[in-house]
Amino acid sequence: DAGVTQSPTHLIKTRGQQVTLRCSPISGHKSVSWYQQVLGQGPQFIFQYYEKEERGRGNFPDRFSARQFPNYSSELNVNALLLGDSALYLCASSLDRASGNTIYFGEGSWLTVV
Amino acid sequence: AQKITQTQPGMFVQEKEAVTLDCTYDTSDQSYGLFWYKQPSSGEMIFLIYQGSYDEQNATEGRYSLNFQKARKSANLVISASQLGDSAMYFCAMREWDGGSYIPTFGRGTSLIVHP
Repeated sequence: DAGVTQSPTHLIKTRGQQVTLRCSPISGHKSVSWYQQVLGQGPQFIFQYYEKEERGRGNFPDRFSARQFPNYSSELNVNALLLGDSALYLCASSLDRASGNTIYFGEGSWLTVV
Repeated sequence: AQKITQTQPGMFVQEKEAVTLDCTYDTSDQSYGLFWYKQPSSGEMIFLIYQGSYDEQNATEGRYSLNFQKARKSANLVISASQLGDSAMYFCAMREWDGGSYIPTFGRGTSLIVHP
């Protein structure tokens, strides 16, 4: 079975631009969450979606938004990119929002803002 | 205050020896969970082991064991018989229920290098 897949794997954007990152969860998983990992730090929680609704949000500005589709895949959008948005963006999936000990991560999308 | 503290930025261990990676946590919840993840240079976070706050026995998964000391709020990872492939970043994380879902908080990580 395929694990969590993310695209694109690497991308370079210019300050002020917008970016969309995509995530496909493990088949059967209904919850998707997003994390930002800046170089030298641990992942920071951005969003969790379950059954197409936002169930949790971390301390990130409104420039960050996300959505989940009927097939449970998800997109993370970041507007008005700043240099500080350069990071590894990780997507994770789980069966449901209460499966706190069975979270599976993708390989991430490396975003560089120049 | 940091919820998860990993005080060892880097650790070195010789192949086949055991190594302990430290993690302390801070929470006022009675129900919480503790994880360890491995992150190789590729970036993927690989789940290693989980310990629930009500679990009385320390969790074990193959060569990985979690030394859970609830009163001290510590959850150290022990890797026995280190292998070269164990070289990676290791993150300790805690999940707490926020009323709607489980939200994990990660530490800053420990870089482990296994040398022959």
